Amino acid sequence: DTGVSQDPRHKITKRGQNVTFRCDPISEHNRLYWYRQTLGQGPEFLTYFQNEAQLEKSRLLSDRFSAERPKGSFSTLEIQRTEQGDSAMYLCASSPWTSGTYEQYFGPGTRLTVT
Amino acid sequence: KQEVTQIPAALSVPEGENLVLNCSFTDSAIYNLQWFRQDPGKGLTSLLLIQSSQREQTSGRLNASLDKSSGRSTLYIAASQPGDSATYLCAVRPGIYNQGGKLIFGQGTELSVKP
Repeated sequence: DTGVSQDPRHKITKRGQNVTFRCDPISEHNRLYWYRQTLGQGPEFLTYFQNEAQLEKSRLLSDRFSAERPKGSFSTLEIQRTEQGDSAMYLCASSPWTSGTYEQYFGPGTRLTVT
Repeated sequence: KQEVTQIPAALSVPEGENLVLNCSFTDSAIYNLQWFRQDPGKGLTSLLLIQSSQREQTSGRLNASLDKSSGRSTLYIAASQPGDSATYLCAVRPGIYNQGGKLIFGQGTELSVKP
């Protein structure tokens, strides 16, 4: 069990560019979550998947954001036409179906800086 | 709308001291509550999870309590060490039937333990 992994760990991009992040959950965890965290704040929920189905999206997830989990394994989060306000840490978490507690296990995050 | 508040925002204590971190939430209809630790620039590490039917959970020098009716949880750290220095985050899973959905986080308490 290697834990939740995220790639890349750091991304610097210019305003207006598109970026894509990848999350690999713990194997056999069927739920996968995306959160965004800005400096000095707690993480804010963006969206979550059960297998390949996207079950909930936050109003924070504007039209420029899209998330996919095509085969129910890894997930990607794409931000189109990035803005400086998108600079944040993007965190991915996964949880198992069978635990009953739905405890979430977090990855190391991808830090995005938009210049 | 569920809101989670953590007080104080920052805390500095000498090594060896016992300390309490506070978390409050506005809606008592929660499925469970998790305490996390976050080191600077890193992801989140789950410390303790308390189901809504439980009053407390213990792990080593950590003890977390839950009083759902008053909307409060506390994290007690015994005999603090410099290695405990980190940001501690409280998160609730809202809705008594929220099986596996999002977490709502407080803004965190930044703890510094001085040698």
